[in-house]
Amino acid sequence: KQEVTQIPAALSVPEGENLVLNCSFTDSAIYNLQWFRQDPGKGLTSLLLIQSSQREQTSGRLNASLDKSSGRSTLYIAASQPGDSATYLCAVLSGGSYIPTFGRGTSLIVHP
Amino acid sequence: EPEVTQTPSHQVTQMGQEVILRCVPISNHLYFYWYRQILGQKVEFLVSFYNNEISEKSEIFDDQFSVERPDGSNFTLKIRSTKLEDSAMYFCATYRENSYEQYFGPGTRLTVT
Repeated sequence: KQEVTQIPAALSVPEGENLVLNCSFTDSAIYNLQWFRQDPGKGLTSLLLIQSSQREQTSGRLNASLDKSSGRSTLYIAASQPGDSATYLCAVLSGGSYIPTFGRGTSLIVHP
Repeated sequence: EPEVTQTPSHQVTQMGQEVILRCVPISNHLYFYWYRQILGQKVEFLVSFYNNEISEKSEIFDDQFSVERPDGSNFTLKIRSTKLEDSAMYFCATYRENSYEQYFGPGTRLTVT
């Protein structure tokens, strides 16, 4: 059974810092991995999708990498801003079942 | 940009009552999913639906739950007899074929009293 872990659970940084959020998964037979942002009481907004054949994806100040062999993905946020404050979730779609497994998320606060 | 919509945004119901949560998927998406998120906990998969039938379901999705696509556009989740522990956010998500990129709706907050 796929298990997804996100570290750290919470992070508080000053504005302008570069930061790294981690996602690890136990079964490397994945179809893709998707990073989401969730604001309090709201839905999930897709940030980046990495297919199993890809190593990284970039969108603006965000860069996500995938290392299937070690079961890890990282989300890099450059020059963080207070508007980046949210919970960041990773979801792994396992090959075969196509049932996504979510991590608990990293709660990020960027203070001015 | 097309988006997934869900209604109602908030539903309060008494224990034992039936509720129907509605989702309008993005028009050319073929795969539909329901998830729930209990406050402070993980997003949990409930059920997936493709080609007018259930593809996969989790242990949570017992006989009290059902899904259907009654009119070719709406996608509904019905809970027949709600329990206190059904209180959660319920999210609908749809997938574009071949990419499996998930697009989530804003959610319905269900409160069972």
